[in-house]
Amino acid sequence: AQKITQTQPGMFVQEKEAVTLDCTYDTSDPSYGLFWYKQPSSGEMIFLIYQGSYDQQNATEGRYSLNFQKARKSANLVISASQLGDSAMYFCAMREGPGAQKLVFGQGTRLTINP
Amino acid sequence: GAVVSQHPSWVICKSGTSVKIECRSLDFQATTMFWYRQFPKQSLMLMATSNEGSKATYEQGVEKDKFLINHASLTLSTLTVTSAHPEDSSFYICSARDIRGTLGSSYNEQFFGPGTRLTVL
Repeated sequence: AQKITQTQPGMFVQEKEAVTLDCTYDTSDPSYGLFWYKQPSSGEMIFLIYQGSYDQQNATEGRYSLNFQKARKSANLVISASQLGDSAMYFCAMREGPGAQKLVFGQGTRLTINP
Repeated sequence: GAVVSQHPSWVICKSGTSVKIECRSLDFQATTMFWYRQFPKQSLMLMATSNEGSKATYEQGVEKDKFLINHASLTLSTLTVTSAHPEDSSFYICSARDIRGTLGSSYNEQFFGPGTRLTVL
């Protein structure tokens, strides 16, 4: 069974608009962490934002925010005021259990920002 | 700080040859390094977890005799693809975890290298 599911293979958004990238997860462990990474065409993995399972508030980092709905097991990434440089692959990932190290990645969403 | 390098950035080799990929933490010591493989237009799949001074832990379905991992020091892990074949062509990415988990934030302690693109002819 997929631990992390990203249902949007591709997204096309007009520059300056906000965009939401979906991510749902599956775990029975009460302690887990959720991550979003950006992968431009160069291939490097750029950490964007993190949400812990016990965090009371949604995480925010500049133009990135995470819409964490624990009961629905979803952790959607919201990018406000999109820019051309936001065009890239975006991966949602999960780390299960306290002290765990392994990251499990979703299938990714390719985001294209149109001028 | 928290820079991870990989060498080479790309390599083309003939079928049957072995290829070694290096992963280095440049400004921190890494007790644990991870090796991922990414096929075109697909996600990252963890191949193995490498701990300094001990044998690597391989994920299910990954052939340990084909993908040899050595983590001989706190700043270097190597992945050797032995007897490479065209189906091994992929993007290989490593990540490294800070020895104390204190770099970056308390949760973002895994830092990725830029990746190595392997093409086997």
